[in-house]
Amino acid sequence: QSVLTQPPSVSGAPGQRVTISCTGSSSNIGAGYDVHWYQQLPGTAPKLLIYGNSNRPSGVPDRFSGSKSGTSASLAITGLQAEDEADYYCQSYDSSLSGLNWVFGGGTKLTVL
Amino acid sequence: QVQLQESGPGLVKPSQTLSLTCTVSGGSISSGDYYWSWIRQPPGKGLEWIGYIYYSGSTYYNPSLKSRVTISVDTSKNQFSLKLSSVTAADTAVYYCARESNLALDGMDVWGQGTTVTVSS
Repeated sequence: QSVLTQPPSVSGAPGQRVTISCTGSSSNIGAGYDVHWYQQLPGTAPKLLIYGNSNRPSGVPDRFSGSKSGTSASLAITGLQAEDEADYYCQSYDSSLSGLNWVFGGGTKLTVL
Repeated sequence: QVQLQESGPGLVKPSQTLSLTCTVSGGSISSGDYYWSWIRQPPGKGLEWIGYIYYSGSTYYNPSLKSRVTISVDTSKNQFSLKLSSVTAADTAVYYCARESNLALDGMDVWGQGTTVTVSS
């Protein structure tokens, strides 16, 4: 069971907008730690898609956007394209008695209908 | 640009130690600007952070794996390595190495392509 909770799957038709949620708690997202998002195309390594809650690395289309509020974060994809079909993971940091831990969500599979 | 490449045995027997190396090219581990991490992904499952090392040799491990994990660095070879002891079938996964800025935890921006490790007799 992942520390960060994501829906297992979402889907949308080409051109539509979809959102993927990432729910944490007071020891991670709610504690103020940043959320990052990764895109993993089939058979490839994850790629950093959004960093620091809402920032896009160079080369990432502005169709991808991120936000954070309270103990949750969201990834939005507008103008859905077939090439966006992939697994998406959120990642943050969790503070516990044993220290700071890097944590991922369980991943969300995006299907473009 | 910086590239990472994992290497090591693809098959490890149960109870033995898994050993992998990540070679960094196009940049220096000794720059001091990054944490160098290991992440794994079991077949059909999500990502799990294993731990990181800084060029100085300081390490930080996932508490759930800490008792079995050792990450080391060889700055002369621009490599860092992972050892995972007492492996079981549950350690079968694709293992990735990645880097993250230590100045601002801005996510892991460069990843290796991953290497598949199967634990089986």
